[in-house]
Amino acid sequence: DTGVSQDPRHKITKRGQNVTFRCDPISEHNRLYWYRQTLGQGPEFLTYFQNEAQLEKSRLLSDRFSAERPKGSFSTLEIQRTEQGDSAMYLCASSRTGGTPEAFFGQGTRLTVV
Amino acid sequence: GNSVTQMEGPVTLSEEAFLTINCTYTATGYPSLFWYVQYPGEGLQLLLKATKADDKGSNKGFEATYRKETTSFHLEKGSVQVSDSAVYFCALSDRVGNTGKLIFGQGTTLQVKP
Repeated sequence: DTGVSQDPRHKITKRGQNVTFRCDPISEHNRLYWYRQTLGQGPEFLTYFQNEAQLEKSRLLSDRFSAERPKGSFSTLEIQRTEQGDSAMYLCASSRTGGTPEAFFGQGTRLTVV
Repeated sequence: GNSVTQMEGPVTLSEEAFLTINCTYTATGYPSLFWYVQYPGEGLQLLLKATKADDKGSNKGFEATYRKETTSFHLEKGSVQVSDSAVYFCALSDRVGNTGKLIFGQGTTLQVKP
């Protein structure tokens, strides 16, 4: 078990470009979450999947953001037409269902939009 | 809506000092409560949790008690070490819908000096 991995760790992009991040959860975890963290703040929920189904999206997730989890394994988060306000750390977490499961976090992808 | 408020940081202590980081929450339901820790350069890790009133979560010398009457979940440690220097996040998960979605406070930076 290598934990939750995210790729890339860092991304610098020009305003207006599209970016895609990948998250590989812990293999037996059927839930996968995306969060966004800006400097000096706690993570904010963006969206989550149970298996391949996207069950909830935050109002923070504008139309420029889309997330997928084909086949219920890895997930991708795409941001289209990036804006400077998108600069943040994007965190992925995974967990089992049932009870009060622990969420395991990846190290995040730091996005800088210039 | 649900929210978490933590005491402002940074908190600077000498080694072996007593630590308290205050956390209060607002929830429409009956949440589970968590403390996560983020060491420099690493991802968020679960430190401890409590799922019902008067439960005490504990780990690595840290403790927090779920106080429903004061809607609080303060983190304490009797004797901090330099290695405890990190950012600490209080979080809740509302059991309504059982999504496992976490709502975080803004984080409190702890710096322990030798």
